[in-house]
Amino acid sequence: GNSVTQMEGPVTLSEEAFLTINCTYTATGYPSLFWYVQYPGEGLQLLLKATKADDKGSNKGFEATYRKETTSFHLEKGSVQVSDSAVYFCALTPQGGSEKLVFGKGMKLTVNP
Amino acid sequence: GAVVSQHPSRVICKSGTSVKIECRSLDFQATTMFWYRQFPKKSLMLMATSNEGSKATYEQGVEKDKFLINHASLTLSTLTVTSAHPEDSSFYICSARESLAGEQYFGPGTRLTVT
Repeated sequence: GNSVTQMEGPVTLSEEAFLTINCTYTATGYPSLFWYVQYPGEGLQLLLKATKADDKGSNKGFEATYRKETTSFHLEKGSVQVSDSAVYFCALTPQGGSEKLVFGKGMKLTVNP
Repeated sequence: GAVVSQHPSRVICKSGTSVKIECRSLDFQATTMFWYRQFPKKSLMLMATSNEGSKATYEQGVEKDKFLINHASLTLSTLTVTSAHPEDSSFYICSARESLAGEQYFGPGTRLTVT
């Protein structure tokens, strides 16, 4: 079946540190891949996405590249800010246009000044 | 961006009672709404998909008679947990989508505790 595995936190970083959150997936064919972010007290928001191999999604300084050969979609940011403190979820929708999101467990990031 | 609200944000109920959770799209009409459940340190699990005016489609293993979903209008879906038991305690999250290929917008979630 389809599944998403992401690193579990919580993780605490200092402001301006480099961030990597690993995400790998199991799915047939070419799923669409997503990163969602949940700020305290708010609903999940789409951070970025990629729909085909080698695509790079980017938003708010975050990037992730769809790697078919390693079935990965790692999230990176070169210099985190306090405002990036949130829970980050990796997710996929299966190939074929299915609307059903399959989520990883989420990782809580805290950035200290 | 589009906003989805949930009410209540937290609810505590006694075992055997029923609880209703509302999900509203505030600034768009949602043709489809989704209900998820999240256990501690677990991922969000899709419970059911509902389209306005039709019966919800439940995921395998989800009891449709226990988790009643109504999507009576384009801006409101409700999830009723009937005869709640402590094992139903969880975080319930809804999302709404405006069009067939559109993005899902998520509500902030409802924490249900059954005592």
